[in-house]
Parts: sequence; structure tokens; C-alpha cells
Amino acid sequence: GENVEQHPSTLSVQEGDSAVIKCTYSDSASNYFPWYKQELGKRPQLIIDIRSNVGEKKDQRIAVTLNKTAKHFSLHITETQPEDSAVYFCVGGDAGNMLTFGGGTRLMVKP
Amino acid sequence: DADVTQTPRNRITKTGKRIMLECSQTKGHDRMYWYRQDPGLGLRLIYYSFDVKDINKGEISDGYSVSRQAQAKFSLSLESAIPNQTALYFCATSGVQGSYGYTFGSGTRLTVV
Repeated sequence: GENVEQHPSTLSVQEGDSAVIKCTYSDSASNYFPWYKQELGKRPQLIIDIRSNVGEKKDQRIAVTLNKTAKHFSLHITETQPEDSAVYFCVGGDAGNMLTFGGGTRLMVKP
Repeated sequence: DADVTQTPRNRITKTGKRIMLECSQTKGHDRMYWYRQDPGLGLRLIYYSFDVKDINKGEISDGYSVSRQAQAKFSLSLESAIPNQTALYFCATSGVQGSYGYTFGSGTRLTVV
């Protein structure tokens, strides 16, 4: 089955700086890569996703990149704000089958 | 709004008791999942169901059972609760065509004493 690894497990940045979270996956058949944000005590919520036929996708301050050859995908957050503080999960898998979650990254944005 | 509803939101139960966590959804999704989250850790899959007649074990199914009563309802049972099952439990749904991302319920915080 698919194995998704996520790094780093914790990330601390100064407000206004950029944050990058990186993930790798093992199954070359995986074709769907969503990212979830979980604020303290709340449910994970989808913030952005990317399909395997696209190399990059951007939505305001967040962007995701996908390198199918290297089986890497990343989340980039620019101009970080305190409300970006949360746990972020990368996910990979076959959109028609199962998705596998990474272990999560706790992002702390210091004012 | 179409959503995923979990009941109860919080529950304290005693060791050895049977407890059921319920999940219902109005999103019209075929696929439903139960995840467990321990403090500071990620999401671990307990069981999943791709349609009413389909039940599959996840990575940590021991000590749990599920029932898919209808397309919209998926229940998780702890037959004999133990303290290390204290955790936050999430139900999630996903579609098949065009809505592959998961929608999570608000979670059930379960404490076994």
C-alpha cells in the first residue's frame, strides 16, 4: 500500500516569513494529493489539493507543488500569519481508492 | 448545509463498558471512514466502508467494530472499552466522482476511566 512521510514534524516561523512542509510517497500509481489543516480541538479541513497531471497549484498565500518523478510534494505558505498556526497533514493516494495520511506537521507562527 | 455529524461530542465511560459512536452525513457520499487521533499524533484508520455492503479493516481495528446501517450512517462500537482507547475519534466521508477529498465530522472525544 501507499506510504506517505511528512517533514518536519514541527516548524516554527516568524510572522511574515514563509513555511514549507515536504512529503514523499511510495506508490507511483497515486494521483491525488490533498492537504488538510487542523486547528487545535477542531476537525481537519481540506485547504488545497493537486492532481497528478498538474505540477503546481496556488490559492492566495498557499501553493502546492508535485514532482511525480521524485515522488515529492510540498506545501508552501507565504506571508505567514498567527492564524496559520495549526497541524497540517499531507495526503496521497488513488482518488478512486484509498488515501493515506502523513504524520502531520505542527506549524507555529510567532507574532 | 451538507455535513458530517458525530454523536456524542464528548463521552466518559468506564472500563469494560460497551459504547457506540455514531456518524451521519448529508453529503450523499458513498464512502465513510473512522479515524482515531491521540494527543499530538496523526490520524490512524480504524475501519472504512465504500458502500452499504462493504466493510474493511484499517490499521488499528482490534477492539473495534462497525456497522453501516445506510448510505448516510456509519457507527463505531467499542465492545469492551479500555483506557488506552481514550482518544479523539473522527468520522469522515468522501465521494467517488469529483469530490475525492475527505470531509470530517467534528469529532467525538472519548475518555475511558
